[in-house]
Amino acid sequence: DGGITQSPKYLFRKEGQNVTLSCEQNLNHDAMYWYRQDPGQGLRLIYYSQIVNDFQKGDIAEGYSVSREKKESFPLTVTSAQKNPTAFYLCASSDPGTSGSWGNEQFFGPGTRLTVL
Amino acid sequence: AQSVTQLGSHVSVSEGALVLLRCNYSSSVPPYLFWYVQYPNQGLQLLLKYTTGATLVKGINGFEAEFKKSETSFHLTKPSAHMSDAAEYFCAVRPQAAGNKLTFGGGTRVLVKP
Repeated sequence: DGGITQSPKYLFRKEGQNVTLSCEQNLNHDAMYWYRQDPGQGLRLIYYSQIVNDFQKGDIAEGYSVSREKKESFPLTVTSAQKNPTAFYLCASSDPGTSGSWGNEQFFGPGTRLTVL
Repeated sequence: AQSVTQLGSHVSVSEGALVLLRCNYSSSVPPYLFWYVQYPNQGLQLLLKYTTGATLVKGINGFEAEFKKSETSFHLTKPSAHMSDAAEYFCAVRPQAAGNKLTFGGGTRVLVKP
């Protein structure tokens, strides 16, 4: 089955440590995204990538880093510079389609819940 | 910058009653519009979307939404609530111009009472 996998599902980190969240998709989508979800705030975009070896900052990129070396993978590193990293992190992907229309929806992974101890 | 407003962070409905979730956006040009559902500790699942064409859009699980350009709204409805509809619902928009970033509303959590 095609889809998006995120691992681990739950992650605990000590303050001052960097941690990397995995996101893999087998949908052959060009674009991938990382969101942060906090209660009552909806989803906020951290980083996105429209093509391999290219990515852009979203609305809340400070304290995060990404890489896009392969089409199917878009790992997110939460660095020690992120002041309040405890949150639910969601990865998504999308495909503009043959017409180039960006009306196609984003598909989401199951999420990783990060807790800083 | 676009913004999305979902009126009511929590909505309580009785089983069998109408579900109405409100979404308004701010944009000078009608964007693409989406409704997603999220069950606890899971990712988001697309309910329906509006891109072009018919303004009344039908989605999965009996949900539908109507795009009203004059009101800049995209409210989500379901005629008869089921216990399984208890979840959080997000409205999202994306500009029709080049670019594919979604802007999400704050979400509405639906509680279904038996």
